[in-house]
Amino acid sequence: DIQMTQSPSSLSASVGDRVTITCRASQTIGSYLNWYQQKPGKAPKLLIYVASSLQSGVPSRFSGSGSGADFTLTISSLQPEDFATYFCQQSYSTPHSFGQGTKLEIK
Amino acid sequence: QVQLQESGPGLVKPTETLSVTCTVSDNSINSDHYWGWIRQPPGEGLEWIGSMYHDGSTYYNPSLKSRVIMSIDTSKYKFSLNLSSVTAADTAVYYCARGDFYHMDVWGKGTTVTVSS
Repeated sequence: DIQMTQSPSSLSASVGDRVTITCRASQTIGSYLNWYQQKPGKAPKLLIYVASSLQSGVPSRFSGSGSGADFTLTISSLQPEDFATYFCQQSYSTPHSFGQGTKLEIK
Repeated sequence: QVQLQESGPGLVKPTETLSVTCTVSDNSINSDHYWGWIRQPPGEGLEWIGSMYHDGSTYYNPSLKSRVIMSIDTSKYKFSLNLSSVTAADTAVYYCARGDFYHMDVWGKGTTVTVSS
């Protein structure tokens, strides 16, 4: 199975900050990398797929980059509604494993 | 916009079979989509259980494969997850989702299943 490792596990930031979350795969996965946002008590929401494609309806302040084994999710200017937990997921091979999550908290 | 709604037993005894159903709000269950199950133990991360195509072909997580059966009933707009021989480690919120093979863009709200005697 492919292991996905996110860093940091938690992050404190302020409204208006630029934030970057990193995801590393245990082997190359091409661009088969998704990012999800999850708020407490809610289902995950797809933000980015195939590493850099923005899901319809997702604000343009979210962006994804990377290929191979190293990927990043960037939020260009944090808004109050962005404080949540973010998960990466590889879909290069089954099982489509997730990272452990990054909790983004208000500073 | 399609909606997915999970329904489950709430409480299952150890060694029994957990059954969760996802009801799809439109006829997209008959079209070119994959239907998946993902779970999240309390306070933990997400685990991919598996996915299936509308023709019935399935892809399971090897860690669960010996205990999992997924099925689809396109006439009833439903797809289901059966997980046998459950233990406390199977306590989780179970989500159903729709997408293509590579990502899931529509999720249900989730149903909590607790395994306890």
